[in-house]
Amino acid sequence: GAGVSQSPRYKVAKRGQDVALRCDPISGHVSLFWYQQALGQGPEFLTYFQNEAQLDKSGLPSDRFFAERPEGSVSTLKIQRTQQEDSAVYLCASSWLEHNSPLHFGNGTRLTVT
Amino acid sequence: KNQVEQSPQSLIILEGKNCTLQCNYTVSPFSNLRWYKQDTGRGPVSLTIMTFSENTKSNGRYTATLDADTKQSSLHITASQLSDSASYICVVRSGGSYIPTFGRGTSLIVHP
Repeated sequence: GAGVSQSPRYKVAKRGQDVALRCDPISGHVSLFWYQQALGQGPEFLTYFQNEAQLDKSGLPSDRFFAERPEGSVSTLKIQRTQQEDSAVYLCASSWLEHNSPLHFGNGTRLTVT
Repeated sequence: KNQVEQSPQSLIILEGKNCTLQCNYTVSPFSNLRWYKQDTGRGPVSLTIMTFSENTKSNGRYTATLDADTKQSSLHITASQLSDSASYICVVRSGGSYIPTFGRGTSLIVHP
């Protein structure tokens, strides 16, 4: 299976808990993106990695959100002290570096904060 | 600021009918435009890519058009099927950024 894999598929967290969401991109893909998608809305950009370098984190909504990709492959999105407004689907996508390469998305992690 | 606007926000059609979804963008400099299909509970999947020199491209029952002068694109679906029920998202890439700009999507429901 050569697709983008995200885990867990579903996560329920109590308000105030920390969560970690994992993304396994397609092997060799240089670019990796994280998106937040609220119900009925389009994906909203969170952050972008090129290999292990986080080149853009302008979409992270607060300093409670942190992402890393230490070896240029697997990435983790961490949310500290979760709030109800963090409830959403978190999508990860990977691609080759070229602008005409499509984004390959995982099926997302649905986070529910109670 | 780069922006992508899609219309309509939602659409309901009967199986077998055709429909057209619209995408207007203000991304500059333009590199390419992709239409993605997102089934419920799944990640988006690329349907087609349009570059500056392309006016029309077909992928089965899906036909995308691009007018680079007016910065508009459309996605036409012919003889709709129940499996076409999904969100269709227009995504535009700028030559000056690694970050693509997403539209909010059009939610299409096909009724039998």
